[in-house]
Amino acid sequence: AQKVTQAQTEISVVEKEDVTLDCVYETRDTTYYLFWYKQPPSGELVFLIRRNSFDEQNEISGRYSWNFQKSTSSFNFTITASQVVDSAVYFCALSEARGNTPLVFGKGTRLSVIA
Amino acid sequence: NAGVTQTPKFRILKIGQSMTLQCAQDMNHNYMYWYRQDPGMGLKLIYYSVGAGITDKGEVPNGYNVSRSTTEDFPLRLELAAPSQTSVYFCASSPTGRETPLHFGNGTRLTVT
Repeated sequence: AQKVTQAQTEISVVEKEDVTLDCVYETRDTTYYLFWYKQPPSGELVFLIRRNSFDEQNEISGRYSWNFQKSTSSFNFTITASQVVDSAVYFCALSEARGNTPLVFGKGTRLSVIA
Repeated sequence: NAGVTQTPKFRILKIGQSMTLQCAQDMNHNYMYWYRQDPGMGLKLIYYSVGAGITDKGEVPNGYNVSRSTTEDFPLRLELAAPSQTSVYFCASSPTGRETPLHFGNGTRLTVT
């Protein structure tokens, strides 16, 4: 069965610091999809990015970047020059193409950015 | 477009009471999901549906029931509320299969006392 581990429960950084959120996954499927979602203090869940298992290119979107490495089964998320508005819980999730459960989430990492 | 709409936003139930959490989407998505979020535990899948008339159990289905009579609606039923069902419930939808990101509703905060 698929599994997602976010070992960092809580991270606290000072504004303008860079921070990396770790995500390690387990799957037996060769085709799968990885996601990151953001949950700000207001509570809604916001989709950030999707990666499929055949695309290992890193992606950058503004201050956000994602590093996908199949060799280490990791899909890490880096925020550069963090801002207070980045304070949220971030979830990594995995969807197998043929698995029983559509989408499995990690337990999340709570990021606090202090001004 | 309203997206995914959940009602109510908050509810307090007494042990043994029943209620239905409503979820509607106006994006013509085939796939719909119910998750619960407990503090520090991430989101766990309760039930999901791949289309009208088709539902399937997720990771934590006990104590819940669902139906999918239309593409738009996916209500979640709690028959005999228990304190262990105190949680935040999220409904979500996606257009196709597992490769597409989920669109989430704003959640229903349920307390059972």
